[in-house]
Amino acid sequence: AQSVSQHNHHVILSEAASLELGCNYSYGGTVNLFWYVQYPGQHLQLLLKYFSGDPLVKGIKGFEAEFIKSKFSFNLRKPSVQWSDTAEYFCAVNAPPSWGKLQFGAGTQVVVTP
Amino acid sequence: SAVISQKPSRDICQRGTSLTIQCQVDSQVTMMFWYRQQPGQSLTLIATANQGSEATYESGFVIDKFPISRPNLTFSTLTVSNMSPEDSSIYLCSVGDGRGTEAFFGQGTRLTVV
Repeated sequence: AQSVSQHNHHVILSEAASLELGCNYSYGGTVNLFWYVQYPGQHLQLLLKYFSGDPLVKGIKGFEAEFIKSKFSFNLRKPSVQWSDTAEYFCAVNAPPSWGKLQFGAGTQVVVTP
Repeated sequence: SAVISQKPSRDICQRGTSLTIQCQVDSQVTMMFWYRQQPGQSLTLIATANQGSEATYESGFVIDKFPISRPNLTFSTLTVSNMSPEDSSIYLCSVGDGRGTEAFFGQGTRLTVV
């Protein structure tokens, strides 16, 4: 079965540290990839997405992600986190023929300490 | 982008009752989806709301429990029927384009069943 895996379920780090969250998917062929963030008590917000072109994608709030097709990966990075980055982060994938139907990873809870 | 309004934003319901959640989009969209996010969990797709035909349900979800309407290209409803405490979740409406490169979410409906 097709799946999306996020390796870390819970990450704790200090402000100014670098963040990298792993995401791997098992779909073959063309995929669209997304990272969403959910701040405490808030709804899902799109951080960035990839569907073609430059595999290094820049998103909002200083986040970026790199699509590595050979590794079926789409890891999220931020060079220096802030306390306000405390949130849950979800990787999601869609693929043909069911474009639009997103499959989400389990999510990674990120806690940034002052 | 699409602006999605969900009603209600939250509700507390008695077990055995039903709740209908509304999703209104500010533009005509082909694809509308309903997701569930159980406490501490990731998002799971319930069904695709098809305009002019029955919804398409994912494995584990059935029409009797989650009837869906899609009367036009801007509106859909999801009903959670005969509720039990296990139905306590956030229910989200989502819309996308036909290529899967866009996926927008409503703010969600936080349902608590007591």
